[in-house]
Amino acid sequence: AQSVTQLGSHVSVSEGALVLLRCNYSSSVPPYLFWYVQYPNQGLQLLLKYTSAATLVKGINGFEAEFKKSETSFHLTKPSAHMSDAAEYFCAVFLSGAQKLVFGQGTRLTINP
Amino acid sequence: DTEVTQTPKHLVMGMTNKKSLKCEQHMGHRAMYWYKQKAKKPPELMFVYSYEKLSINESVPSRFSPECPNSSLLNLHLHALQPEDSALYLCASNIIGTGLSSYNSPLHFGNGTRLTVT
Repeated sequence: AQSVTQLGSHVSVSEGALVLLRCNYSSSVPPYLFWYVQYPNQGLQLLLKYTSAATLVKGINGFEAEFKKSETSFHLTKPSAHMSDAAEYFCAVFLSGAQKLVFGQGTRLTINP
Repeated sequence: DTEVTQTPKHLVMGMTNKKSLKCEQHMGHRAMYWYKQKAKKPPELMFVYSYEKLSINESVPSRFSPECPNSSLLNLHLHALQPEDSALYLCASNIIGTGLSSYNSPLHFGNGTRLTVT
């Protein structure tokens, strides 16, 4: 069954430092992968999606993710963290053959001043 | 601002009450979803409507009753809930595409209704 696993339930970085949030997928067919962000007391907002057109995907707010088939990974990065990036981040996979978006467990990102 | 509007933002109800959650979108999306999110957990799928017909029910208890009156509206009727049903209820919608686009059309989420059952 297709699924995603997020490594690290909590990541803390200093303002201006690199942000790296890890996501690994399990799939025998090309996966349809997404990253969403959830700010406190809000719904989920799409950061970016993997479309198979390019392995490096650029999203909103300076985030990007690289699809690596050899590592079955789709890690999310941002070169320089900003205080406003503090939020919960979810990696998700859209299950082929069904209209189901399944989320990883989430990673809470904390930014230290 | 979100393009999916959910009302109310907060709801407190007793275990004998009947209430409804409402969701509205005007993006022309023909798939609509209800998710339930407990604190510090990912959203869990409850129901999916495609072209106003229920296509997926993730074995949700019958005290939750979804309804899709038209292509823009999605309701979730609540009756005889339990305290453990307290959660954030999220509505989402997306395009029903064909081929590849049926799989990578992103979901658009509302800000949710925070439900507390007392």
